[in-house]
Amino acid sequence: DIQMTQSPSSLSASVGDRVTITCQASQDISNYLNWYQQKPGKAPKLLIYDASNLETGVPSRFSGSGSGTDFTFTISSLQPEDIATYYCQQYDNLLLFTFGQGTKLEIK
Amino acid sequence: QVTLRESGPALVKPTQTLTLTCTFSGFSLSTSGMCVSWIRQPPGKALEWLALIDWDDDKYYSTSLKTRLTISKDTSKNQVVLTMTNMDPVDTATYYCARMDAATAWYFDLWGRGTLVTVSS
Repeated sequence: DIQMTQSPSSLSASVGDRVTITCQASQDISNYLNWYQQKPGKAPKLLIYDASNLETGVPSRFSGSGSGTDFTFTISSLQPEDIATYYCQQYDNLLLFTFGQGTKLEIK
Repeated sequence: QVTLRESGPALVKPTQTLTLTCTFSGFSLSTSGMCVSWIRQPPGKALEWLALIDWDDDKYYSTSLKTRLTISKDTSKNQVVLTMTNMDPVDTATYYCARMDAATAWYFDLWGRGTLVTVSS
C-alpha cells in the first residue's frame, strides 16, 4: 500500500502569513493527490484535487502543487477562518485511498 | 441538492457486528461513474478510508480491514450499507459516507455529517 507522510503535524501562524504543508508519497502517484480542510466537529471539505486544481468556490489563496512523490499545499495569506486541520489524500488505479496524518493549523 | 446521511447504532459491544447505512439524495448510484465510500475518524485522529462501491456494483476495500468489511448498495432506496465484523474498542470513531463521481475525477466531493460509533462493553 502507498503511504503518505504529511508534515508538519501542527503549525502556528499569524494572520496574513504564507503557510505551507507538505505531503510525501511512498511511491510515484503522478498527480493523484487531493487536499481537504476539516473544521472541528465537521466533515472534511475538498479544496484541491489532482494536486493543483482548485475546487469550485474555494478561495484563490489556497493552492497546491507537485507530482510524483512530493506535494505542497499553500495558503498565500492566512485568514482567521482558515483555522482547521488539513489532510492530503492519494488514490491509485486500484481505487485504494490513503489519507495523510493531518496538519492542525492554529493562529499565533 | 445532494445530501448524504449516515445512520446506525451509537454503541456496540466488542465482538459484535456493526451495520451502518448511508442514505443519499440528489444523485443515483446507477449513474455511470458514481461511487459511495465509507471513511472513519477515531476521536482526535486522522481520517481512514474503509471501502467504496461503484455504479457497476464493484467493491473496493482497505487492505488492512478487508476481511472485516462488506459494502453493498440498494439503488432503489438510494442507500449504501457497510458492515464491519468483530468490533473492538479501537474501532470507536466517527464514520462518514462520501460521494465520488469517478466520471470526472477521483475525489470525495460531498460528505455526510458522520455518525459516532462507540465500542464498549
